[in-house]
Amino acid sequence: QQQVKQSPQSLIVQKGGISIINCAYENTAFDYFPWYQQFPGKGPALLIAIRPDVSEKKEGRFTISFNKSAKQFSLHIMDSQPGDSATYFCAAPTNRAPGANNLFFGTGTRLTVIP
Amino acid sequence: GAGVSQTPSNKVTEKGKYVELRCDPISGHTALYWYRQSLGQGPEFLIYFQGTGAADDSGLPNDRFFAVRPEGSVSTLKIQRTERGDSAVYLCASSQSPTSGHTQYFGPGTRLTVL
Repeated sequence: QQQVKQSPQSLIVQKGGISIINCAYENTAFDYFPWYQQFPGKGPALLIAIRPDVSEKKEGRFTISFNKSAKQFSLHIMDSQPGDSATYFCAAPTNRAPGANNLFFGTGTRLTVIP
Repeated sequence: GAGVSQTPSNKVTEKGKYVELRCDPISGHTALYWYRQSLGQGPEFLIYFQGTGAADDSGLPNDRFFAVRPEGSVSTLKIQRTERGDSAVYLCASSQSPTSGHTQYFGPGTRLTVL
């Protein structure tokens, strides 16, 4: 059972373009929505995260848009650069224990930014 | 060290053998997580420790898998009677607090190959 559904599976963007990755969830009890970035041979690293009490969060070129009613959130990468080429995962906490931090991850989006 | 470290980085073993994978979390982090990542997939939660105790082991696939954290710092994931389906990257993460929203810092992983 996929707790968070991520799309697209892969994405190719020209340098300078906007990369958009989407994630949908079912459990309305989720209270934290991080995006992780992973380079080959490395562990995932937190990129940006949002709580459901706000609709948008921006950090530099990275923005999360959150739609609580639709149970969706998305990552926007503005002015995409070749160095952004990586796999991106959305995630949400399992909430097996209230407030617990164990994460469900999406299946990932492989982003390639071409020069 | 500054980050989460995992040893070995690669482990090749034969079907039926026993393996141990080690995780050294960031100093002072009380929460420690093990995840498993198969090729082309997102990390899947295995077990979470708060201090020395396993607070949630619901992700362990079967009783061949168990993990310990005897002194509340280093953790070892142990797999008995390995099977080819156990081949994956095993990731360890730690966070300052187990509360939802606290950043999980991942190690580089141990790539396990069962022949």
